[in-house]
Formats: sequence, structure tokens, C-alpha cells
Amino acid sequence: GAVVSQHPSWVICKSGTSVKIECRSLDFQATTMFWYRQFPKQSLMLMATSNEGSKATYEQGVEKDKFLINHASLTLSTLTVTSAHPEDSSFYICSASTGELYNEQFFGPGTRLTVL
Amino acid sequence: DAKTTQPNSMESNEEEPVHLPCNHSTISGTDYIHWYRQLPSQGPEYVIHGLTSNVNNRMASLAIAEDRKSSTLILHRATLRDAAVYYCILRKARRDNYGQNFVFGPGTRLSVLP
Repeated sequence: GAVVSQHPSWVICKSGTSVKIECRSLDFQATTMFWYRQFPKQSLMLMATSNEGSKATYEQGVEKDKFLINHASLTLSTLTVTSAHPEDSSFYICSASTGELYNEQFFGPGTRLTVL
Repeated sequence: DAKTTQPNSMESNEEEPVHLPCNHSTISGTDYIHWYRQLPSQGPEYVIHGLTSNVNNRMASLAIAEDRKSSTLILHRATLRDAAVYYCILRKARRDNYGQNFVFGPGTRLSVLP
């Protein structure tokens, strides 16, 4: 149980285009989902926290107009990278909280974005 | 969330036990100790968590010091598939930490030698 999927697993796009990444909790409802970014050889860095039905909370330094997050249902959150540039190339990972007492999170497999 | 410190890297031989240490001297009474691991090009994977008592599951064991200022993740027989970055993270119980994220440090990169 507690599986999180991401789609696509990888994407290559041209500079200036927008890319949407989906994050789904397959067998549980997630009131909170998180989006992380990971550059090569680095640790995960939180980008934003997404609560179902409300606006996302972005970490300092993350442009909310560039990284659009929508959490329309308890099982789906999307991250749209708008007007992508090569420096946006990274590994994007989402996670979802099960809501259990110990606040365990389950992570998606990640999406590799390459902007040419 | 309280901070944890881990060695940057460790090596182990295949089929041997591995002890991955984590120091968390500023841990509070409501902090759970979580361990995740990340295989190359994958999202982090839950390994184990505990509060005060030692814990065992099919993947690993977690030994927690009596004063809770340190813990050790134990892989009983390392395999090549265990080569990953292991993260030790402190998290408060949900009732005290609703909706907050995990803070990932650099973790320990475990290499398993055949």
C-alpha cells in the first residue's frame, strides 16, 4: 500500500515551453503533498507544500509564477514548470503524507526534466 | 525540526552487516526517527522509523540509544541492491507537525562491494 506515482518519468523539452508533472497517490488520500527538486549529487530540496483545495506554500527562493502547483483532489497534485530554461533541468520528486500519527511520507519515483 | 549528522559515505562488503550511524543530539521528546534511502535515479524509499524502542522490519533494524541522541540503522546482510544514499530524519508526530515537510541532509552514501 501507500504508493505514489509520477508521470512522466522523464521529459525533454525545448527552452521556453511549459511542462506538467503529475503526482498521484494510488491507494490512499493525501491531504498534503510536497514537491522537491534534486540536482545531481545533491540532496532533495523542498520547493513547495500543497494542500488539497488550497494554494500551495512555496519555499523561499522558489518562484510561484514559474512553478505552478495545483492540488485539485486528494489523490492528485500537478507541478507545471512554465517557460522552462536549461537551469530548470533537474530531478523533480513529489511525496504525499498518509496522515498517520508518525507523519510518514511516501515518495514518488521522480521525474527527470531536461530542458534543451 | 532538529538536525541530524551522518557520515558522508561508507563502504561495506556484500553479505556483511552494515551499521549506519546518525547523531541527533538536539532531539526532542516528540521527535520520531525516520530512515529513508534513495537508490540512483529514484525517489526516496521508506526504510524504518522509531521513537524510543529498537525496531525491526523486513528491511532493517533500528537501534536507538537510551538517551535518544543517536541511532543506528542496521542492514543485516548487505546486498548490491542496498547501495544507496541513506537519510536519517527527525519528524514530530503529526499532531504536532501537521503538513510539514521532511528536511533532507546530505545523507550517507553506502557503497556495497561484491
